[in-house]
Amino acid sequence: GNSVTQMEGPVTLSEEAFLTINCTYTATGYPSLFWYVQYPGEGLQLLLKATKADDKGSNKGFEATYRKETTSFHLEKGSVQVSDSAVYFCAGGSGGSYIPTFGRGTSLIVHP
Amino acid sequence: DTAVSQTPKYLVTQMGNDKSIKCEQNLGHDTMYWYKQDSKKFLKIMFSYNNKELIINETVPNRFSPKSPDKAHLNLHINSLELGDSAVYFCASSQATSSYNEQFFGPGTRLTVL
Repeated sequence: GNSVTQMEGPVTLSEEAFLTINCTYTATGYPSLFWYVQYPGEGLQLLLKATKADDKGSNKGFEATYRKETTSFHLEKGSVQVSDSAVYFCAGGSGGSYIPTFGRGTSLIVHP
Repeated sequence: DTAVSQTPKYLVTQMGNDKSIKCEQNLGHDTMYWYKQDSKKFLKIMFSYNNKELIINETVPNRFSPKSPDKAHLNLHINSLELGDSAVYFCASSQATSSYNEQFFGPGTRLTVL
């Protein structure tokens, strides 16, 4: 079946530090890959996505590249802000499933 | 203006009670979902409806009963509440029943069972 594995948190950084949150997936066929963000007290919202190999999704300074050879979709940001403090979920969707498979979430805490 | 809305936002109740959570989406989507998020933020799918028909029913106790009066609404009724039901419940919708589609989430309902 499909699975998504992302690094455990919390990830604690100082403002303006570089962020990487690792995500790897196993899936049937060629999945679409997503990063969702959940700010405190809110629901999840789509941050970025990629639908085929070598696609790069980007939004709000975050980027992730769909690497088929390593089955990875790592989330990166060059300079984090306090307002980026949230829980980040990697997810993958493929033809063998009605719903995307979510990772367990990674909490990011950014200190001033 | 809100795309997916849920009521109530907070629900505090005693064990053994029956409660309902309502969800509405104004995006014109065909598919709606209920998720349960535990205290460690783990997200678990509970149910999915497509055009008012149940298509996914994960291993959820039958005390939980979803109802979809129309494709814009998906309500969740919970009978005989237990301590372990305490969690945040999210409603979501997507354009079609496909894992390739983006899901739009509501703000969540925090249920506390005392």
